[in-house]
Amino acid sequence: AQSVTQLGSHVSVSEGALVLLRCNYSSSVPPYLFWYVQYPNQGLQLLLKYTTGATLVKGINGFEAEFKKSETSFHLTKPSAHMSDAAEYFCAVVSGGYNKLIFGAGTRLAVHP
Amino acid sequence: SQTIHQWPATLVQPVGSPLSLECTVEGTSNPNLYWYRQAAGRGLQLLFYSVGIGQISSEVPQNLSASRPQDRQFILSSKKLLLSDSGFYLCAWGVQGIYGYTFGSGTRLTVV
Repeated sequence: AQSVTQLGSHVSVSEGALVLLRCNYSSSVPPYLFWYVQYPNQGLQLLLKYTTGATLVKGINGFEAEFKKSETSFHLTKPSAHMSDAAEYFCAVVSGGYNKLIFGAGTRLAVHP
Repeated sequence: SQTIHQWPATLVQPVGSPLSLECTVEGTSNPNLYWYRQAAGRGLQLLFYSVGIGQISSEVPQNLSASRPQDRQFILSSKKLLLSDSGFYLCAWGVQGIYGYTFGSGTRLTVV
């Protein structure tokens, strides 16, 4: 079965610094991979997704992620952090039939001045 | 455009009381529907999913049940709540996996 592992439950960066949130997946078939963001007491918002084609995927709010099959990774990056990026980020993979979305444990991003 | 509605936004219930959370989707037909729970400081756990009216699959044995009485309505229920049922419950819908899911705004359930 497919699964994802997010390395680091908490990440703290300075405003303007590079954001790097790590995600590794396990899948026996070509994966569909997603990054979602969750602001406090809200639902999840899709940041970006990888299905097929270009391995560098651009999303909303300046985020991007690169699918690396050889490393089974799908890390999320943003060149310059903004205070408004503070939130929890979830990596997810589609698993099995009926398109079940399996989430990692999440990474809470803190951005300090 | 498609929208998903989830209510109530917050709920405080005593142990042993029943529960009913509702989720409805607009602007699409025959969606796959999902219930997730997010416990404090933890990731999202898939509880139930449904691919059609009356078709419910449970991912985790527990004190909860789900029903889909109409194509775009998905209900999460419990006959008797436990303290461990506290959490943030999210409904989501999707048509095909490659498009990801759209999530509702969630229900914060506190069992006291």
